[in-house]
Amino acid sequence: ETGVTQTPRHLVMGMTNKKSLKCEQHLGHNAMYWYKQSAKKPLELMFVYNFKEQTENNSVPSRFSPECPNSSHLFLHLHTLQPEDSALYLCASSPGQGTGNTIYFGEGSWLTVV
Amino acid sequence: QKEVEQNSGPLSVPEGAIASLNCTYSDRGSQSFFWYRQYSGKSPELIMFIYSNGDKEDGRFTAQLNKASQYVSLLIRDSQPSDSATYLCAVGGYQKVTFGIGTKLQVIP
Repeated sequence: ETGVTQTPRHLVMGMTNKKSLKCEQHLGHNAMYWYKQSAKKPLELMFVYNFKEQTENNSVPSRFSPECPNSSHLFLHLHTLQPEDSALYLCASSPGQGTGNTIYFGEGSWLTVV
Repeated sequence: QKEVEQNSGPLSVPEGAIASLNCTYSDRGSQSFFWYRQYSGKSPELIMFIYSNGDKEDGRFTAQLNKASQYVSLLIRDSQPSDSATYLCAVGGYQKVTFGIGTKLQVIP
């Protein structure tokens, strides 16, 4: 079982749909992250949760709504997305937040908005 | 100025050669430095981390850090075609880790 698991791996949704991405970490970490990776762009940090509390929202549009019910689970709720939101969405975790904490990624969820 | 700068490449090296990947960063307060490898269509996987000035070796990989020059590099010795991937430099500050755009490495058989 991998350390950070994401489902679904691939998702195609229409602009009026509502869907969710799920992430679970089995590493006993306290911090969890959502990143967006688009072609020819650096990884973009979207949200950070530390001990279930959101510590960073990197000016993400409200059509992306995170949820962290506990330190092991993280969701990204999606609604009324735009085609430019099509990207690889990566969940990650680390022992804590801040310097010295190594980030471990899940396998990613490929999102296509049509 | 970008926080973490990398040449996007591609960097082409022949099989068996040394591949040298470079990264510069802007925040002098950065304290942790990471290299990730990302194969096409896959997620990034951690290769190495380094916190202190100097070299850190792990098998065929050597990470080099020079905080005075705000420079970190990754050397891959005896490059193999399986090393062909994008290599992401990541720099850790007080509250967050910032990633570079990544350098695409192509090892030519």
